[in-house]
Amino acid sequence: KAGVTQTPRYLIKTRGQQVTLSCSPISGHRSVSWYQQTPGQGLQFLFEYFSETQRNKGNFPGRFSGRQFSNSRSEMNVSTLELGDSALYLCASSLAKTGGNTGELFFGEGSRLTVL
Amino acid sequence: AQSVSQHNHHVILSEAASLELGCNYSYGGTVNLFWYVQYPGQHLQLLLKYFSGDPLVKGIKGFEAEFIKSKFSFNLRKPSVQWSDTAEYFCAVKGGYQKVTFGTGTKLQVIP
Repeated sequence: KAGVTQTPRYLIKTRGQQVTLSCSPISGHRSVSWYQQTPGQGLQFLFEYFSETQRNKGNFPGRFSGRQFSNSRSEMNVSTLELGDSALYLCASSLAKTGGNTGELFFGEGSRLTVL
Repeated sequence: AQSVSQHNHHVILSEAASLELGCNYSYGGTVNLFWYVQYPGQHLQLLLKYFSGDPLVKGIKGFEAEFIKSKFSFNLRKPSVQWSDTAEYFCAVKGGYQKVTFGTGTKLQVIP
């Protein structure tokens, strides 16, 4: 069974640009969550999607957005990039039901974004 | 709102030493608790989980954790660490319909 796939794995952008990151969950998983990982800050929650609906949202500015498609694949977008957006962006999928997921997450390897 | 606190940011142990990493959470209801591990160069993976039942749970590679409800704690233990246990360990909590909240992580370095 294929794991969670994130693309691209590495990317370099300059301030002011925008970026789109993609995540393909494990087959059969309907829930996708996104986290930002930085040294010292740990994992900061961005959003969670289930069946194309955003179920939870973290405390990030509106420049951070996401969506989920009918095949459960998800994308997140960051507009007007700032230096502080440099981080590892992690996607995790979960075998969730309508009532919510258990919290058992399966992570991808992440997309490492560097903003210059 | 829920939160997680990991007390140790960086732990250095010699091989065969015992390990205990502290984790405390805050949430006013029933929770699911987790420890995730990130080995160097690898993705985050589940080490062990607690949903209900026996408060002492066992995970992969000889790790175990004990849920103490009265102390809101879920400490990770291993009787004898190996060099291959060098990694970053994250405690996580999920209450109700909340998101999964992670602690800031503990970097464990095991010296051969």
